[in-house]
Amino acid sequence: DAMVIQNPRYQVTQFGKPVTLSCSQTLNHNVMYWYQQKSSQAPKLLFHYYDKDFNNEADTPDNFQSRRPNTSFCFLDIRSPGLGDAAMYLCATSRATGGYGYTFGSGTRLTVV
Amino acid sequence: LAKTTQPISMDSYEGQEVNITCSHNNIATNDYITWYQQFPSQGPRFIIQGYKTKVTNEVASLFIPADRKSSTLSLPRVSLSDTAVYYCLVFSGNTPLVFGKGTRLSVIA
Repeated sequence: DAMVIQNPRYQVTQFGKPVTLSCSQTLNHNVMYWYQQKSSQAPKLLFHYYDKDFNNEADTPDNFQSRRPNTSFCFLDIRSPGLGDAAMYLCATSRATGGYGYTFGSGTRLTVV
Repeated sequence: LAKTTQPISMDSYEGQEVNITCSHNNIATNDYITWYQQFPSQGPRFIIQGYKTKVTNEVASLFIPADRKSSTLSLPRVSLSDTAVYYCLVFSGNTPLVFGKGTRLSVIA
């Protein structure tokens, strides 16, 4: 089945130690998104790629960066994780930016110790 | 982006129909309304989308009145497995989805 796969499912990192989360898709969708979801809160959009065109949300901290080397893969890099960055990180894809039919991955739960 | 307001939580018994209403008073002409469902520790899942009147699929129905300032997601005969958070979102063609607080639905046996 076509899907969005996030690895790892759980990630533990040390305070200040760079960490990378990965997302891959077999849907051949143009757009890929990264959302951050903290406990009992709604998903918060960090950034998205339309093909190779990167779009950063205004309030996304500089500590968060992203790479999309090809259509299928997208990475979220957290340069110096703080305790406040502990959250579920969700990757999503869609054919176009308008909200129709986003497909989300199962997420990576990041713990910072 | 139109702001959405929906109840924080709802309870229902199994087998009942559940209606979750979302208000979006500032919806623009080109905006669509979409609903997503999220189970704990999973990503949100698309349920249904509409522009006006009524849309029905195998999972739910979406009712949108003529003024489009609100919408109602209807889940027929809910089961325990429908316990989840339901998000109402409004979007236009080129803007990514921005999630509001959502409604936590608890289905009781």
